[in-house]
Amino acid sequence: GESVGLHLPTLSVQEGDNSIINCAYSNSASDYFIWYKQESGKGPQFIIDIRSNMDKRQGQRVTVLLNKTVKHLSLQIAATQPGDSAVYFCAEKYGGATNKLIFGTGTLLAVQP
Amino acid sequence: GAGVSQSPSNKVTEKGKDVELRCDPISGHTALYWYRQRLGQGLEFLIYFQGNSAPDKSGLPSDRFSAERTGESVSTLTIQRTQQEDSAVYLCASSPGGLYEQFFGPGTRLTVL
Repeated sequence: GESVGLHLPTLSVQEGDNSIINCAYSNSASDYFIWYKQESGKGPQFIIDIRSNMDKRQGQRVTVLLNKTVKHLSLQIAATQPGDSAVYFCAEKYGGATNKLIFGTGTLLAVQP
Repeated sequence: GAGVSQSPSNKVTEKGKDVELRCDPISGHTALYWYRQRLGQGLEFLIYFQGNSAPDKSGLPSDRFSAERTGESVSTLTIQRTQQEDSAVYLCASSPGGLYEQFFGPGTRLTVL
């Protein structure tokens, strides 16, 4: 069915450590993936995206890895800061004409000072 | 420039009443999306408008839910005969043609008593 799931609902890390947030997706035909960050009381904010013809993409302090063989997506945050504390969602776009995104349930990242 | 705006930011209503939620997308964005987010959960797709094409209504949970969009401008989400289970944050997002990244508004928090 339509689902994008996360392995860890809550992740607690120490400030300065690296964080890894994982996501499993179910549709092997998905051709685009995106990570969003949602702070309390706000709408989701774009972090980074990746197309299915890539296996890695880097941004500022963030890296997204895509493993299509096992349908797995991860978000790595380097040198995690207190401002990174939020809920992180992965989302997939099924292949074809639709632009609809299917979102996962989210992982709460808690950064301890 | 201005981002996606939504109004009201909070709405408290009584069970059985109708409510209208408004979304103003980013100017020039051809696609507009509505999502529902229950407390502590992920984003549930409701409806998607793309230009002049027929909207994708596949996520609307019941016939009490409907949405309209005027051209490539404002959209309203209407919930008739509200139920307590309709209590959630309703998020709107828009995206420009040819891109999949969605830009989210701050949401409307709906509470049905």
